[in-house]
Amino acid sequence: AQKVTQAQTEISVVEKEDVTLDCVYETRDTTYYLFWYKQPPSGELVFLIRRNSFDEQNEISGRYSWNFQKSTSSFNFTITASQVVDSAVYFCALQIYNFNKFYFGSGTKLNVKP
Amino acid sequence: DVKVTQSSRYLVKRTGEKVFLECVQDMDHENMFWYRQDPGLGLRLIYFSYDVKMKEKGDIPEGYSVSREKKERFSLILESASTNQTSMYLCASSLGSGRADTQYFGPGTRLTVL
Repeated sequence: AQKVTQAQTEISVVEKEDVTLDCVYETRDTTYYLFWYKQPPSGELVFLIRRNSFDEQNEISGRYSWNFQKSTSSFNFTITASQVVDSAVYFCALQIYNFNKFYFGSGTKLNVKP
Repeated sequence: DVKVTQSSRYLVKRTGEKVFLECVQDMDHENMFWYRQDPGLGLRLIYFSYDVKMKEKGDIPEGYSVSREKKERFSLILESASTNQTSMYLCASSLGSGRADTQYFGPGTRLTVL
């Protein structure tokens, strides 16, 4: 069975702090994809990143970085120097190769205070 | 850019009414999905469609039906709305290659059933 766990329900930080959002997944499949989405207060989920199970290289995009570790089944997301605009709910998701279905975590609400 | 639109941002209906939620995508995607989002539960898949007139049940199809008569349009139908269907409904679409399809989301419809 597939499962995604985001243990942090809500995190509050002050602007310019670094923050890491945790994502732990479970699957017995060897080929799969991991995603992060951002849901701002407006409601629309915005795609941030997709990684496949064979690529454990960390990725950096501006203030965002992702750490994928198969050994711990984790795909963590770090925001460096957080800003108020980063306030949103962030979802981690898992997709198995050749299946359309996504398995979403329950989301982490990030509050960045000025 | 992929554009997924939903017919209403906010909707208020009465118990027992038949409710239609419409979703349109403009990128010729094969797959379309309906989710509902509730606090603490993340996103749960209601139905998805991988082709015109084709559909598959997701995790929580009870009380819902869907229609896909045209490739770009996917409708969610609540045959007889109930108060426990008060929720945020999100539509998504994906290309349909089946291997690693990023899902793109619409802005959501917040439905209240009185």
